[in-house]
Amino acid sequence: QKEVEQNSGPLSVPEGAIASLNCTYSDRGSQSFFWYRQYSGKSPELIMFIYSNGDKEDGRFTAQLNKASQYVSLLIRDSQPSDSATYLCAVNRVTGGGNKLTFGTGTQLKVEL
Amino acid sequence: GAVVSQHPSWVICKSGTSVKIECRSLDFQATTMFWYRQFPKQSLMLMATSNEGSKATYEQGVEKDKFLINHASLTLSTLTVTSAHPEDSSFYICSASGRWFNEQFFGPGTRLTVL
Repeated sequence: QKEVEQNSGPLSVPEGAIASLNCTYSDRGSQSFFWYRQYSGKSPELIMFIYSNGDKEDGRFTAQLNKASQYVSLLIRDSQPSDSATYLCAVNRVTGGGNKLTFGTGTQLKVEL
Repeated sequence: GAVVSQHPSWVICKSGTSVKIECRSLDFQATTMFWYRQFPKQSLMLMATSNEGSKATYEQGVEKDKFLINHASLTLSTLTVTSAHPEDSSFYICSASGRWFNEQFFGPGTRLTVL
C-alpha cells in the first residue's frame, strides 16, 4: 500500500463547477496535511494545509480532514481554467531525521471552458 | 508565503562532470532544507534532508557520495551532482522550512540535462 494515494486523473470539470480532489494516507501517526499545486514544468506551490479534523476554508479552496478515515480532500469552488494543474497531497511525518513530507503522485485537474 | 530561490534554473553538462545547484531562502531562516528529484510524469521523490550545520540525512537508495549536500548557513544549501551521467537528468527541486512553521516552500527547480 502506498503511503499517500491519489487518483491520477485527469479529473475534468467545467468552468465554474466544484472540483473535488481526494487523498488517503496509511500512517495513522501523520500530523499535518498539505495541498500543493504544480503546473507543468514548474515546482509545487503551497495552497493550504490542515492539522485538525474538519474543514478549513481559504478563498475558493476548502481542505477537509478526517483522521479516523485517513482521508483528506481539497474542494475548489468556481473552478477556473487557470486552476488546471496537478494537485499534490502531502503528509507530514516526524521521523528520526526530522519532519518529512511524503507526496502522493498527484491528481491532474482540467477545467474546461 | 516564504520565498526560496534556486540557481541555476537549468543546466546542460557533459557526462562525467559535476554540477552544483544552490538553494537560498530569501526572507526567512531555513532551519531545514530538503532536496527532491522529479522525473517526467512522476511525483516528487525526497533525496535528502539537511539541517543547518549538520550532515544531510539521505533517503534509502540515494548515493551520498554522488549527491553531495551542504547546508552551511541558515539561508543556503547546495546540492552537487558528482560525475553526472545521463540517468541523472531530472528536475531537481529544493524546499525549505523554518523554525516556526512546518510548511515547506519550494524553490523554482533546476532542470539538469546530462549529455
